[in-house]
Amino acid sequence: QVQLVESGGGLVRPGGSLRLSCAASGFIFSDYFMIWIRRAPGKGLEFVSYIDGVNSYIKYEDSVKGRCTISRDNAKKSLYLQMDRLRVEDTAVYYCARSTYLGGPLDHWGQGTLVTVSS
Amino acid sequence: QSALTQPPSVSGSPGQSITISCTGSSSDISSYNRVSWYQQSPGTAPKLIIYEVTNRPSGIPGRFSGSKSGNTASLTISGLQPEDEADYYCSSYTRNDKYVFGSGTTVTVL
Repeated sequence: QVQLVESGGGLVRPGGSLRLSCAASGFIFSDYFMIWIRRAPGKGLEFVSYIDGVNSYIKYEDSVKGRCTISRDNAKKSLYLQMDRLRVEDTAVYYCARSTYLGGPLDHWGQGTLVTVSS
Repeated sequence: QSALTQPPSVSGSPGQSITISCTGSSSDISSYNRVSWYQQSPGTAPKLIIYEVTNRPSGIPGRFSGSKSGNTASLTISGLQPEDEADYYCSSYTRNDKYVFGSGTTVTVL
């Protein structure tokens, strides 16, 4: 069955870096757009970034543009989010999800990984 | 891109019907039929319950339905069940090729 498993979260100081990973199984990974979404404490869901199946089309939310880099390794069936110059307001649970087409529904989500940015 | 506007909370008794609204703009909801709804219970991942405005994925009960008029999408739960108590989020594709989510609505079953 389809599984998405995030890892790499943790506690980091403001200005620090983290690399989140999302391991996929149970489907043809390269056929799907992959998306990162986050939910800050007490807040709603927020789009972070997406990448198409062949690493050619990428978008970022304005709040993370220039500080985050999304990438994927189709051979390893893995999605990544490199997060640099982290801010307190980046504190959130980060989810990876998949979609069959650009702007399409996110039909499977991982359980999330918690990123806490605090001094 | 500002979040889509949802009421913070909606409540109802078991068996009642409730509707959650999701208001966007000409840049998102009114321009595309790529509107989805997600259900999130505490400590769990969001779950897709409606896609492309009106469609239900396999396994989602028929009491969940979606609609859209202009720049407002709606989710209706007909015959509310205790297990429907959760947070609900709408989402739309936008003209700048991104996703935007709603502010979220907490559904309470009285």
